[in-house]
Amino acid sequence: GENVEQHPSTLSVQEGDSAVIKCTYSDSASNYFPWYKQELGKRPQLIIDIRSNVGEKKDQRIAVTLNKTAKHFSLHITETQPEDSAVYFCAVITGANNLFFGTGTRLTVIP
Amino acid sequence: GAVVSQHPSRVICKSGTSVKIECRSLDFQATTMFWYRQFPKQSLMLMATSNEGSKATYEQGVEKDKFLINHASLTLSTLTVTSAHPEDSSFYICSARDGMSHPSGNTIYFGEGSWLTVV
Repeated sequence: GENVEQHPSTLSVQEGDSAVIKCTYSDSASNYFPWYKQELGKRPQLIIDIRSNVGEKKDQRIAVTLNKTAKHFSLHITETQPEDSAVYFCAVITGANNLFFGTGTRLTVIP
Repeated sequence: GAVVSQHPSRVICKSGTSVKIECRSLDFQATTMFWYRQFPKQSLMLMATSNEGSKATYEQGVEKDKFLINHASLTLSTLTVTSAHPEDSSFYICSARDGMSHPSGNTIYFGEGSWLTVV
């Protein structure tokens, strides 16, 4: 299947600072790149997504950038708050229409 | 928004028995359904992808005879863990793709997940 790498695996930031999580993928035909937030034992919650024909998308404090040439995309959270603490997963829909997840990042926002 | 219902949410079974998990799309037609397994503190690992009316496509390392997937209709897919063993204990979660959603039919909805414990 698709190889989706995600970094860092853990990230701690002070409240109010920004957090950046990066993912790379291998299938150049991949066309959809969602980001999910997941609490333990619960379903992933979609927080933002970007499609292959767009380079950047922003929704309030959350933004995602995509570089198709380099095959990487990033999640940016500004003005972080304690409630942003969670595990975040990037995901990729490949050319074969399968959805693969990155390895996850545990974000901790320190009050 | 669209809803995907997954049952049961928790199940405990004896080693050697089989367990069926259902995944239903309640208000849309799911052209594709995905099944994932997630161990504690790990990512969601894709087990298989199923399209309505056709055989599921399994990821490498996933035994198709052990994890039986049926996608009999556009609103229902089932995962049956056969001859379950303690190492099969995990969080299993399905997702369904709304093939008619705008703009490119890639909207995906997740079920609530199922905790399987094999004793």
